Amino acid sequence: ETGVTQTPRHLVMGMTNKKSLKCEQHLGHNAMYWYKQSAKKPLELMFVYSLEERVENNSVPSRFSPECPNSSHLFLHLHTLQPEDSALYLCASSQGIDTYNEQFFGPGTRLTVL
Amino acid sequence: AQSVTQPDIHITVSEGASLELRCNYSYGATPYLFWYVQSPGQGLQLLLKYFSGDTLVQGIKGFEAEFKRSQSSFNLRKPSVHWSDAAEYFCAVPNQAGTALIFGKGTTLSVSS
Repeated sequence: ETGVTQTPRHLVMGMTNKKSLKCEQHLGHNAMYWYKQSAKKPLELMFVYSLEERVENNSVPSRFSPECPNSSHLFLHLHTLQPEDSALYLCASSQGIDTYNEQFFGPGTRLTVL
Repeated sequence: AQSVTQPDIHITVSEGASLELRCNYSYGATPYLFWYVQSPGQGLQLLLKYFSGDTLVQGIKGFEAEFKRSQSSFNLRKPSVHWSDAAEYFCAVPNQAGTALIFGKGTTLSVSS
């Protein structure tokens, strides 16, 4: 595997379910990100991790819970979601959190909340 | 506050024709500026970036962009569009903390034959 991978690619869940999104980067980067991409809205930054420490939480509801066990893996744990949470969730990584570092994106997980 | 505006939601260009996608930014200092492309079913890929120096920046896939401070613009151009360029294009600037990017709403490019 190369680059940034995300699993699953598609997920359908009910509002009472608990699920997790997984992201793995094979680039040796130190920073990882979660973004939400909704129709007709700009990409929204959700969380930023640097060296496994959360450095930014962009006013995200607590029903989204990130986890970064090591610099290669990032999870987004989901519980009691709402239909408006349906979106494409993109993971990215970069060498460091300074924005001159190119961010490399995974293909995303298409989430549908029923 | 930092922000990015992409005035055009959807543009259609004939194959072989030239392309210009508009991006206007609001930023407190000399900005870093980025253009990303997202093909259907894919994540975003960096096309080019501007940090300083020459205001005309060359990127991948034959794209270029010009930074114009007087107009607060960073428009993306390509002299001859190919059908494979059909995608969504995003302009971005760093957030205030410098820890992540703020993206515009994107411009969808369709290419007609």
